[in-house]
Amino acid sequence: NAGVMQNPRHLVRRRGQEARLRCSPMKGHSHVYWYRQLPEEGLKFMVYLQKENIIDESGMPKERFSAEFPKEGPSILRIQQVVRGDSAAYFCASSPPQGMQFFGPGTRLTVL
Amino acid sequence: GDSVTQMEGPVTLSEEAFLTINCTYTATGYPSLFWYVQYPGEGLQLLLKATKADDKGSNKGFEATYRKETTSFHLEKGSVQVSDSAVYFCALRGAGANSKLTFGKGITLSVRP
Repeated sequence: NAGVMQNPRHLVRRRGQEARLRCSPMKGHSHVYWYRQLPEEGLKFMVYLQKENIIDESGMPKERFSAEFPKEGPSILRIQQVVRGDSAAYFCASSPPQGMQFFGPGTRLTVL
Repeated sequence: GDSVTQMEGPVTLSEEAFLTINCTYTATGYPSLFWYVQYPGEGLQLLLKATKADDKGSNKGFEATYRKETTSFHLEKGSVQVSDSAVYFCALRGAGANSKLTFGKGITLSVRP
């Protein structure tokens, strides 16, 4: 049973480009969470999704950031027009209904 | 809102030393409490958890007790190993099994041979 998968593991973008981060939840998990870890800080919640629905996006920046979890395929976190301050590790976690969250290995985004 | 406060780091210990990492929290209701560990270059792994007051979570020699009266969940290990070197995060999950996790800032532990 494969764990939570994220790709790419490392992503380099220049300012103004778009970044797309993918998360494939564990088999049987219908809930996905995205967290951001800035340097020297803990993880901060961004968004919680179920299939085709955003349940809680209270931690998402209002502009440039969006997330989706389509009926088929992985969850996508999209950052448009990236800036240097977006450089961070982005972690995805998945869970079954009413269950524990299991984390992926993260995507480390570097904005040049 | 919910918050988690961890002691300042980093912490450096010699092998076989006793470890305590302090964690206190602020939350409404009755949160569940967790310790996660992050090894270099990897994602977070659940180390232990407690879901109600006075519960003790334990794993790999680590222990933490949910103390509602002091709103604390301190992590302890009697004898650390070099392989325990990692970043440790205290976290809470509010009411509702699908609630988000709120993390502390994390503390880096280095264990010398």
